Amino acid sequence: GAGVSQTPSNKVTEKGKYVELRCDPISGHTALYWYRQSLGQGPEFLIYFQGTGAADDSGLPNDRFFAVRPEGSVSTLKIQRTERGDSAVYLCASSLKSGPYEQYFGPGTRLTVT
Amino acid sequence: GESVGLHLPTLSVQEGDNSIINCAYSNSASDYFIWYKQESGKGPQFIIDIRSNMDKRQGQRVTVLLNKTVKHLSLQIAATQPGDSAVYFCAVKFGNEKLTFGTGTRLTIIP
Repeated sequence: GAGVSQTPSNKVTEKGKYVELRCDPISGHTALYWYRQSLGQGPEFLIYFQGTGAADDSGLPNDRFFAVRPEGSVSTLKIQRTERGDSAVYLCASSLKSGPYEQYFGPGTRLTVT
Repeated sequence: GESVGLHLPTLSVQEGDNSIINCAYSNSASDYFIWYKQESGKGPQFIIDIRSNMDKRQGQRVTVLLNKTVKHLSLQIAATQPGDSAVYFCAVKFGNEKLTFGTGTRLTIIP
């Protein structure tokens, strides 16, 4: 079946602009995770949803970052007033449910802030 | 919290040989461990996982060993092939919390 998909695959934006990154999880997966990966580093947790609600948003770096999952499926990560330091690959993962279950990752969105 | 470290940032192995990638974690209550493979330009790909009630698990050409006493995890890849060249990450979870990733080991297979 289809895996996790993310759009766009690449996004270039100017400093100060607003961006939205989209994630389509595997159908039926109730848990959805956002991570950020900088060059040469492992993914770092941002936020996780169980269903429609954000169960843990402790990884969001500041209040410029926000994520939603209004119908418990597709999720959007929103970044306001982008800064050059926001440049990274943003990864989305889903799992059947939260807990000790495999997380399946999407290909990521490469965000470049100029 | 949890921190995860890998012992070697790079590893080169002759094609056909076995490779071992190591990882250390800090939280003794961590209960779920995953190894991921990441190729350039792609998201992490699941290789194998292990729960804390086990100390060894085998897949196709891969074995994960978990030593909870010293909080150490390893991934063994048998008979390495050129397609095994990638960055390998261990990831650790405690309860319902997020995965914490190590910094990765870049495995290069020498033909």
